[in-house]
Amino acid sequence: DVKVTQSSRYLVKRTGEKVFLECVQDMDHENMFWYRQDPGLGLRLIYFSYDVKMKEKGDIPEGYSVSREKKERFSLILESASTNQTSMYLCASSRTGTGGLAKNIQYFGAGTRLSVL
Amino acid sequence: KNEVEQSPQNLTAQEGEFITINCSYSVGISALHWLQQHPGGGIVSLFMLSSGKKKHGRLIATINIQEKHSSLHITASHPRDSAVYICAVSPYSGGGADGLTFGKGTHLIIQP
Repeated sequence: DVKVTQSSRYLVKRTGEKVFLECVQDMDHENMFWYRQDPGLGLRLIYFSYDVKMKEKGDIPEGYSVSREKKERFSLILESASTNQTSMYLCASSRTGTGGLAKNIQYFGAGTRLSVL
Repeated sequence: KNEVEQSPQNLTAQEGEFITINCSYSVGISALHWLQQHPGGGIVSLFMLSSGKKKHGRLIATINIQEKHSSLHITASHPRDSAVYICAVSPYSGGGADGLTFGKGTHLIIQP
């Protein structure tokens, strides 16, 4: 089974702190994603990566950056945490394929609930 | 950008009832996903479909590409089906690297 592991389930940080959220997948997937989930807004894409050292902005990248130094690991960085970044953060991965639709299936981690005080 | 609308937002039903959750989207897609999220956060994929109908146990998903509409049905609903059900779409793209666009979810409660 595909496993996507997020380093923390719950995290409490102070305003202005630099925050790292880590995600590791064990299925050699090329693509990795970071989403945030807020009540009434659903999941929104922050950043994604389709290869090592490659990154693309999603719908709401402001205030975030990412790092992908190794294929299995995708990190989300909050450079200076703010209270409006209190949210549930979900990591996902998928494979790249040339045929069929299975490449579209994304596998999610359990989520990190971040509170910024 | 695709707009994904789900209805209803909240649904409470009695055990055994037939449940329908609807999803519509605004722009052509390569695939539509139905996801389930239980309290605690973890999201699992229930279905991915690009045409027709799929069935898994008591769950059935259908899609009408021309009308840009999909439905998720649960037959003989059970309290363990209580969860948030999320519709998401994959854009047309070359290799599946693009992120999904999500509906806001349907919070389903099945009462015994």
